Amino acid sequence: GDSVTQMEGPVTLSEEAFLTINCTYTATGYPSLFWYVQYPGEGLQLLLKATKADDKGSNKGFEATYRKETTSFHLEKGSVQVSDSAVYFCALFSNSGGSNYKLTFGKGTLLTVNP
Amino acid sequence: DTAVSQTPKYLVTQMGNDKSIKCEQNLGHDTMYWYKQDSKKFLKIMFSYNNKELIINETVPNRFSPKSPDKAHLNLHINSLELGDSAVYFCASSTGHHLPYGYTFGSGTRLTVV
Repeated sequence: GDSVTQMEGPVTLSEEAFLTINCTYTATGYPSLFWYVQYPGEGLQLLLKATKADDKGSNKGFEATYRKETTSFHLEKGSVQVSDSAVYFCALFSNSGGSNYKLTFGKGTLLTVNP
Repeated sequence: DTAVSQTPKYLVTQMGNDKSIKCEQNLGHDTMYWYKQDSKKFLKIMFSYNNKELIINETVPNRFSPKSPDKAHLNLHINSLELGDSAVYFCASSTGHHLPYGYTFGSGTRLTVV
């Protein structure tokens, strides 16, 4: 079945540091890829998405590029802020039909940014 | 107005009890979901309903029974609660079960079984 593998956390950075959170996936067909963010005590919010190979999703200074050849969708931000502290989830949506229409999440990566 | 609202936000109960969690969405979405997030933050789908019809039922013990009285509501009833049921349960909705967009999550229900 479909699966998503994210780098293990937690990740602790200082403000203005560069962030990379690795994500690779296994899926049949051509899935859509997503990054979701969960702030403390809240539900998940969509951060960015990409629907086909070589698409780059971006939002709030975060970017991720859909790499079909390496089956990856790594999240990056050039300069993190304290307010970026949250749990980040990589996810895929399979389009192979039937009961496979669902969001499959990675295990989440906790990011803590210190002032 | 909260788009996807869950009640209660916190639930502490003893083993063996039966409890329900309610979810309502006011987005006009056709599809609703229950996800379970364990203590390590792993998020896994449990059920999905599209227009009140069960679409996904992921190897969940039959002590868990979802009910969708209409497409705006999806409740989760759990019988004979066990310690391992302790988790945060998230309700979500989306425009259509075959579409990858428009997922909106509730803020979660933290269930603690003691």
